[in-house]
Amino acid sequence: DAKTTQPNSMESNEEEPVHLPCNHSTISGTDYIHWYRQLPSQGPEYVIHGLTSNVNNRMASLAIAEDRKSSTLILHRATLRDAAVYYCILSNQAGTALIFGKGTTLSVSS
Amino acid sequence: DTGVSQDPRHKITKRGQNVTFRCDPISEHNRLYWYRQTLGQGPEFLTYFQNEAQLEKSRLLSDRFSAERPKGSFSTLEIQRTEQGDSAMYLCASTRGDHSPLHFGNGTRLTVT
Repeated sequence: DAKTTQPNSMESNEEEPVHLPCNHSTISGTDYIHWYRQLPSQGPEYVIHGLTSNVNNRMASLAIAEDRKSSTLILHRATLRDAAVYYCILSNQAGTALIFGKGTTLSVSS
Repeated sequence: DTGVSQDPRHKITKRGQNVTFRCDPISEHNRLYWYRQTLGQGPEFLTYFQNEAQLEKSRLLSDRFSAERPKGSFSTLEIQRTEQGDSAMYLCASTRGDHSPLHFGNGTRLTVT
């Protein structure tokens, strides 16, 4: 699977938007982009995924660059409960395991 | 949807003992994954089942580790002759199919003394 690069950490203030970047310059045409997050003492939680078009759900938005070499997870209004480690993962083979990196640790201040 | 359930939540064992963990996936999910996570790291893939068939095993899964999923429902992960390096959080996840979201349990934290 192609690799992703994320900043180690980011900070945000409560009720402000957060843009979490992910670079994946070696992405292939069939790679899906997945985002998960992990709150302290919990298992990872699915956030969103997409292939080419931008995606929205109740948790977040995923903006995918036109060349697909980068993507951004957008939290529209950060809350304290959004403080977590956010993982950006690529997967192109159905059924194979998602390979997690170290992710981005997001801190949210009130 | 009761979610993915893992038992026990915590296990403390002495080096050299055997331990077994259980994972109950979401009932209609036919794919089940085991991961291991140490402090400050992302989850590391261990093994994967499609129904009762174990389809993929990581090189991390030494011969002291064995996993089963009889009848394609719950799964067990056994570690024989535990070592201190086995101390970690063991996570189970399940999914219904291709590119569907993974649903994780809250893990079993193993401490080997």
